[in-house]
Amino acid sequence: RKEVEQDPGPFNVPEGATVAFNCTYSNSASQSFFWYRQDCRKEPKLLMSVYSSGNEDGRFTAQLNRASQYISLLIRDSKLSDSATYLCVVRLNTGGFKTIFGAGTRLFVKA
Amino acid sequence: GAVVSQHPSWVICKSGTSVKIECRSLDFQATTMFWYRQFPKQSLMLMATSNEGSKATYEQGVEKDKFLINHASLTLSTLTVTSAHPEDSSFYICSAREVGRLYTDTQYFGPGTRLTVL
Repeated sequence: RKEVEQDPGPFNVPEGATVAFNCTYSNSASQSFFWYRQDCRKEPKLLMSVYSSGNEDGRFTAQLNRASQYISLLIRDSKLSDSATYLCVVRLNTGGFKTIFGAGTRLFVKA
Repeated sequence: GAVVSQHPSWVICKSGTSVKIECRSLDFQATTMFWYRQFPKQSLMLMATSNEGSKATYEQGVEKDKFLINHASLTLSTLTVTSAHPEDSSFYICSAREVGRLYTDTQYFGPGTRLTVL
């Protein structure tokens, strides 16, 4: 079983739609959680951290459920520029600084 | 924000040659840098953790004699792919962690190097 699992998609949605991505992690030593965005042939860029209380940044809302080991990302009012791969990322508390990336969920927003 | 650069951004080489990739933190010091590899449509896979002034820690399945890592200063880490073969063709990305911020939750990524081995 992968340490971080995501639905690879692709998700094809029209502009203005609301889309949700889910992610599960298996390592109970997971301490910090993030969503990254990766455009084709580019490096990943931090979209937002994910907190237990849930957090929002504009059109993006992230949720964390530690009991279920589940993370979500909600994008409202999708824009064409939101088309990218979204990576669920977990950082482990193992005395070091180890980051595990999910394989990503591809999103295509259509006009 | 913090910036990490990589050089070269892309490289094409013949099978059997060695390729060196540089990763630099431009406006901060990084005691720890990380090297990742990403194959098409796959996740970033951590290859090794590079600590300034000491030997790198390699992940399971990564050949340390093939992927030589040197972290000689607080702003520079290099990855050398020795005797590269076509199966080493991939997107190599480095990232850096800033000195003095032990619990920082931000990794700064370089723009990546696309290696194609013919």
